[in-house]
Amino acid sequence: DQQVKQNSPSLRVQEGRISILNCDYTNSMFDYFLWYKKYPAEGPTFLISISSIKDKNEDGRFTVFLNKSAKHLSLHIVPSQPGDSAVYFCAASPISGSARQLTFGSGTQLTVLP
Amino acid sequence: EAGVTQFPSHSVIEKGQTVTLRCDPISGHDNLYWYRRVMGKEIKFLLHFVKESKQDESGMPNNRFLAERTGGTYSTLKVQPAELEDSGVYFCASSRGDPSGNTIYFGEGSWLTVV
Repeated sequence: DQQVKQNSPSLRVQEGRISILNCDYTNSMFDYFLWYKKYPAEGPTFLISISSIKDKNEDGRFTVFLNKSAKHLSLHIVPSQPGDSAVYFCAASPISGSARQLTFGSGTQLTVLP
Repeated sequence: EAGVTQFPSHSVIEKGQTVTLRCDPISGHDNLYWYRRVMGKEIKFLLHFVKESKQDESGMPNNRFLAERTGGTYSTLKVQPAELEDSGVYFCASSRGDPSGNTIYFGEGSWLTVV
């Protein structure tokens, strides 16, 4: 039973447009949410995170939105660039936020078309 | 600063054989984690070392998997005997403390194919 779900395995977006990657979770104990980016033949790298006390966190072109009542979060990339093409993993952890308690989604392959 | 390194990057073995994966964490990182991604699915936690001690091995699938971290430096993950469902990418990660996931560093993974 997947507790973190990324229902879109792939997403194609034109360069300069907005990319929206979605993530749903089921465990109400999750309190901290993260997005990782993974290029081929590389390990995942941390991108951006959000605590449950916030509903939005912004870092440059990347913004994560959290809707706790809907148990839904999304990553917005504006404007999208070809270099953003990668697999994006959503992850969540309980209040302790320990890396060993990270639960990942199955990933969304983003392709930004030039 | 060298990142987390894993060896081998790819391995193809027959069912029933043994494979040992190695992870060298970032120097000075006491925390070492193993994760696995099977068949394009989610990345799942396997276990966590603090120095040479196993802190949490709740994610280990079964007793065919054995992880060690002698001396608290590099770690090995042995699969013996390997089964077809063990195929996937095995990621190692390390961190200095035991923070939330925004400060752990992943290796590039070891691809394992069991045929």
